[in-house]
Amino acid sequence: DGGITQSPKYLFRKEGQNVTLSCEQNLNHDAMYWYRQDPGQGLRLIYYSQIVNDFQKGDIAEGYSVSREKKESFPLTVTSAQKNPTAFYLCASSISRGGYNEQFFGPGTRLTVL
Amino acid sequence: DAKTTQPNSMESNEEEPVHLPCNHSTISGTDYIHWYRQLPSQGPEYVIHGLTSNVNNRMASLAIAEDRKSSTLILHRATLRDAAVYYCILRDFSGNQFYFGTGTSLTVIP
Repeated sequence: DGGITQSPKYLFRKEGQNVTLSCEQNLNHDAMYWYRQDPGQGLRLIYYSQIVNDFQKGDIAEGYSVSREKKESFPLTVTSAQKNPTAFYLCASSISRGGYNEQFFGPGTRLTVL
Repeated sequence: DAKTTQPNSMESNEEEPVHLPCNHSTISGTDYIHWYRQLPSQGPEYVIHGLTSNVNNRMASLAIAEDRKSSTLILHRATLRDAAVYYCILRDFSGNQFYFGTGTSLTVIP
């Protein structure tokens, strides 16, 4: 089955610890994205990548970092600099970054910082 | 940034058509209109998208106003599985700005 996987589904961390969220896709898509969703809110873009070894900041990149060493993988690190990291994190991909393309979303990771 | 305005919530009876409106008065000529829906604690699911002409697919229809300042997602026969939050989103040709907003929460009444 082609699709996007995110792991883990639930993640708990102590305040001040960095944590890395996994995102893998086997759709052979060039573009990948990370979004954050807070309760009752829409999605906000954290980072996106159009191609391997390239990524750009989105609207709320502060306190987050990413890497894109392989086409199929786009991990997100939530650093201790992120002031309010508890949220639902969604990874997505699309064939390319053009606005005419649909995005495919993973099931999400719910991060809780204690 | 081109933004969209949607009602917070709507209700529909099962097996009846549903029309979900979206206003996007600041839309530019290169903005595509996308619709996604999201079930609780799941990732959004693509529904449909269009540029100028009305669009149909197996899930829904998209009716776009002639001036493109509004659009309507049409679910032809609502089922209980259609209960979700529906997001209307604008994306320009280059793919910039994927602003989701807060969407419309659709309740389907059996």
